[in-house]
Amino acid sequence: AQTVTQSQPEMSVQEAETVTLSCTYDTSESDYYLFWYKQPPSRQMILVIRQEAYKQQNATENRFSVNFQKAAKSFSLKISDSQLGDAAMYFCAYRSPGGSQGNLIFGKGTKLSVKP
Amino acid sequence: EAGVAQSPRYKIIEKRQSVAFWCNPISGHATLYWYQQILGQGPKLLIQFQNNGVVDDSQLPKDRFSAERLKGVDSTLKIQPAKLEDSAVYLCASSWVPDTQYFGPGTRLTVL
Repeated sequence: AQTVTQSQPEMSVQEAETVTLSCTYDTSESDYYLFWYKQPPSRQMILVIRQEAYKQQNATENRFSVNFQKAAKSFSLKISDSQLGDAAMYFCAYRSPGGSQGNLIFGKGTKLSVKP
Repeated sequence: EAGVAQSPRYKIIEKRQSVAFWCNPISGHATLYWYQQILGQGPKLLIQFQNNGVVDDSQLPKDRFSAERLKGVDSTLKIQPAKLEDSAVYLCASSWVPDTQYFGPGTRLTVL
């Protein structure tokens, strides 16, 4: 079975600085999808970024980028120019490819604090 | 485009009572998911629907939890009877195909 591990329960960053959140996963599949979701205190899970395993290029969305290392099964999230609104829980998630099975397997999350 | 709608946002019940949650997915999304998120953990899938058929309910405690998606649109998740350990946030998500999932605001359930 696939597993997702986030080894940093909490992280802190100064406003305007850069922070990297770590995620590792375990799978025997060669094709899959990886996601980072943000969950603010309002509880709504918001998609931050998505990566297809077959793509070598790292995904980027504005200030958010990933470092996808397929061989190492590592999928870290880099937040540049951190803003107060970035403070939230961040969850790394894995999804198997194709077919009808589309459920996400989540890590336990990393709580990010942003200091003014 | 309207997002995933859920109600109620909060619910407090006594153990052994019953409770129901409602979810209306994004228009046109065929796949609907219910997740349970216990405090301090990531969400865990309870059930996945494709249109009005169940795709995966392997982690649904079927002795007390039930879910339906009549007409392949909105869905209801029920717990009867509730236990203390059911206290959690219940998240509904939808997707066009089993692809990127979009989540609703969740329902926070407290069982006393």
